[in-house]
Amino acid sequence: AQKITQTQPGMFVQEKEAVTLDCTYDTSDPSYGLFWYKQPSSGEMIFLIYQGSYDQQNATEGRYSLNFQKARKSANLVISASQLGDSAMYFCAMREGGSGYSTLTFGKGTMLLVSP
Amino acid sequence: SQTIHQWPATLVQPVGSPLSLECTVEGTSNPNLYWYRQAAGRGLQLLFYSVGIGQISSEVPQNLSASRPQDRQFILSSKKLLLSDSGFYLCAWRHGITTKETQYFGPGTRLLVL
Repeated sequence: AQKITQTQPGMFVQEKEAVTLDCTYDTSDPSYGLFWYKQPSSGEMIFLIYQGSYDQQNATEGRYSLNFQKARKSANLVISASQLGDSAMYFCAMREGGSGYSTLTFGKGTMLLVSP
Repeated sequence: SQTIHQWPATLVQPVGSPLSLECTVEGTSNPNLYWYRQAAGRGLQLLFYSVGIGQISSEVPQNLSASRPQDRQFILSSKKLLLSDSGFYLCAWRHGITTKETQYFGPGTRLLVL
């Protein structure tokens, strides 16, 4: 079974609108971390936001917020006020267990296109 | 601040030729280091990780190998490339301190094996 599932291969949004990118995860470990990365056409993976399994509040970083629903095992990324520069691939990733060496498992990604 | 470098940026190699990709990190000490591969239109697959000099863990058995000769240097190698080795190779680092677990990625190397 996939540990990270991103069901949206592609998403379209108009500039200045908000968009939600879905991510569900599968783990039986009580300690885990969830990450979102952005990959523009240049290829570099850019870290956006992190949520720990024990964090009480949803993570926020500027225009990015993570809608963490632990019981549903979902960690959706919300981008508010989309910009043209937000067009990119977005990957959800999970770290399971103790963070000693912190290997990540990535989803297959969602391509976001922002139109003027 | 920390920076991570990878080279070369792009590489075209014939089948059966050797490979050496290099990754270096600046501005930190004793980082954890990672090699990932991304096939076209796919997610990232972890290949190797290292928690210290000379310490390499392999996630996927294949004709690739990794070495960490210095604290902030991570090398990905192959003796004989296969067509299936084509892809985008990303190096990443994170702090050795366990409370700082975010991985930060380098610019990547695009490898095409012909």
